[in-house]
Amino acid sequence: DADVTQTPRNRITKTGKRIMLECSQTKGHDRMYWYRQDPGLGLRLIYYSFDVKDINKGEISDGYSVSRQAQAKFSLSLESAIPNQTALYFCATSIEAGGRREQFFGPGTRLTVL
Amino acid sequence: DQQVKQNSPSLSVQEGRISILNCDYTNSMFDYFLWYKKYPAEGPTFLISISSIKDKNEDGRFTVFLNKSAKHLSLHIVPSQPGDSAVYFCAASVWDSSYKLIFGSGTRLLVRP
Repeated sequence: DADVTQTPRNRITKTGKRIMLECSQTKGHDRMYWYRQDPGLGLRLIYYSFDVKDINKGEISDGYSVSRQAQAKFSLSLESAIPNQTALYFCATSIEAGGRREQFFGPGTRLTVL
Repeated sequence: DQQVKQNSPSLSVQEGRISILNCDYTNSMFDYFLWYKKYPAEGPTFLISISSIKDKNEDGRFTVFLNKSAKHLSLHIVPSQPGDSAVYFCAASVWDSSYKLIFGSGTRLLVRP
């Protein structure tokens, strides 16, 4: 079973609709992250969370909100989707371990906003 | 302003030869660097990392070199195999509690049989 799962894997929606992307992890990690990937731009951080009470904005948080429902669950919401939010969205987790800082990624959600 | 840059969008090498992927950074506060590999329809997977206190780290066929004075790192794959064909992302991190990663734009590697 995958350690980091994302649902849905693909979603097509219309401008103005509210969308929620969900992420669950079984790794027991405290830190969770949401990124988006656009062609030619790599991955950019949207939000990150240290625990259920600690939510932080990343470099491109405008138009997005998040909810950390539990240590294992971190959801990303688009309150009113717009076409330039069409992208690949990745959830990731990490844990402090002897100075190592790897993040572990889910399989991604491909979102298309028409 | 991109803090982590991968200036080569693509690279093609023959199977068995060396693949060298390059990455430049501008922020001197970065102290930890990582390489990720990404196949289509999958999330990025961690490949290898290096701390700024080192200049080389090796793991099997993969070696990462760090040149702090030039703010440059490279990933060497020897020998290259067709299964190595993927997009490779360089990432960097500043030492703080967030463990945030700043990613480059990626290099698509094609290893020809």
